[in-house]
Amino acid sequence: DSGVTQTPKHLITATGQRVTLRCSPRSGDLSVYWYQQSLDQGLQFLIQYYNGEERAKGNILERFSAQQFPDLHSELNLSSLELGDSALYFCASTVSGGAWDEQFFGPGTRLTVL
Amino acid sequence: AQSVTQLGSHVSVSEGALVLLRCNYSSSVPPYLFWYVQYPNQGLQLLLKYTSAATLVKGINGFEAEFKKSETSFHLTKPSAHMSDAAEYFCAVTSNTGNQFYFGTGTSLTVIP
Repeated sequence: DSGVTQTPKHLITATGQRVTLRCSPRSGDLSVYWYQQSLDQGLQFLIQYYNGEERAKGNILERFSAQQFPDLHSELNLSSLELGDSALYFCASTVSGGAWDEQFFGPGTRLTVL
Repeated sequence: AQSVTQLGSHVSVSEGALVLLRCNYSSSVPPYLFWYVQYPNQGLQLLLKYTSAATLVKGINGFEAEFKKSETSFHLTKPSAHMSDAAEYFCAVTSNTGNQFYFGTGTSLTVIP
């Protein structure tokens, strides 16, 4: 158990809908990363937050947005969902947000878009 | 931009045999390189990381990796495979600025009893 929690575990929705994925980092960690893992694209870095502020952006679509709240939990919002958004979404947390930090991954949220 | 190539999407070894999983990065030397392992239905777990302190890096569970600049490689090895090593392994690098992360496509390791 990494100490990172993600909810929900599974999510099934329809095209065009909007969903919110939630991540709670390990106690004491200030930075949260979001990743998308799919069969065709592999594991892709989406976005990083540090202490409530966006720090780095990866291959995140404009239909996706994220934020980190004062209590340090983070939410990833996915809107106008398409079939291709079906994937496993992971969040990871680190203490300081440095690139050298070990990232502790949550168990993931499996999103299925029908 | 950085890129990572993992040669061999599937590797099978016998229990007790040498494990060698290959990772090559693009030509510019990334600040940091990592190997992560993913067990079925779980998130990723760090095995080891290279931070320029030493070219041979030792990680958990008996794994190690050697950074070879001349070969742009960071291959993962373990002298003797154990059944519990069966998992998906990912090589990852940071961008030169350190604010982007790039993962390889993963190598699925099967250990044959």
